Amino acid sequence: QSVLTQPPSVSAAPGQRVTISCSGSSSNIGNKYVSWYQQVPGTAPKLLIYDNNKRPSGIPDRFSGSKSGTSATLDITGLQTGDEADYYCGAWDDSLSAGVFGGGTKLTVL
Amino acid sequence: EVQLVESGGGLVQPGGSLRLSCAASGFTFSRFWMTWVRQAPGRGLEWVANIKQDGSEKYYVDSVRGRFTISRDNAKNSLYLQMNSLGAEDTAVYYCVRDWGSSDTYWGQGTLVTVSS
Repeated sequence: QSVLTQPPSVSAAPGQRVTISCSGSSSNIGNKYVSWYQQVPGTAPKLLIYDNNKRPSGIPDRFSGSKSGTSATLDITGLQTGDEADYYCGAWDDSLSAGVFGGGTKLTVL
Repeated sequence: EVQLVESGGGLVQPGGSLRLSCAASGFTFSRFWMTWVRQAPGRGLEWVANIKQDGSEKYYVDSVRGRFTISRDNAKNSLYLQMNSLGAEDTAVYYCVRDWGSSDTYWGQGTLVTVSS
């Protein structure tokens, strides 16, 4: 059972938009920055979003992040087949004094 | 070019010990927090431990506290994870991560630890 809650899977057609949610609490998302990671199976995760809504250089603006209260959201627009991957949210948890991840969401581009 | 190269993984018997290493290059290692993250086969990511730039602060996930020890040698640009009393639940790919959660986040390719008799 992960501290942060994500839907196990989402799917959409190429060109469409998908939203992945990440729900936490006041000890993590509510008062800390959220980051998002993309992981293609068999490879290391890659940073997509940091500080809730900032993109590292090289990440297309099709990927965007937002946060409201104790929840965060990753939006992906203009879906491409290459976006098929697992997506994870992460944050620091003050109560645990440790980092925490969501359980991951598998994105299928139909 | 930033590189994080993990090593030290392998097969170990239950109750045994293993020491993972992460060799850093291409950046000033001593400037960054460093983190270990693991991923059990077919499972999600699990944050394991992190260490401050000078080693003065260390944090652990509850499931490894008291069994694992994170350390670093800034002179050797290296991060370590000493793992004792290993159990099957510790079987995973272990990733070395620079400055987890920030714009400077960078992941190594991981090293596989298998705990089995």
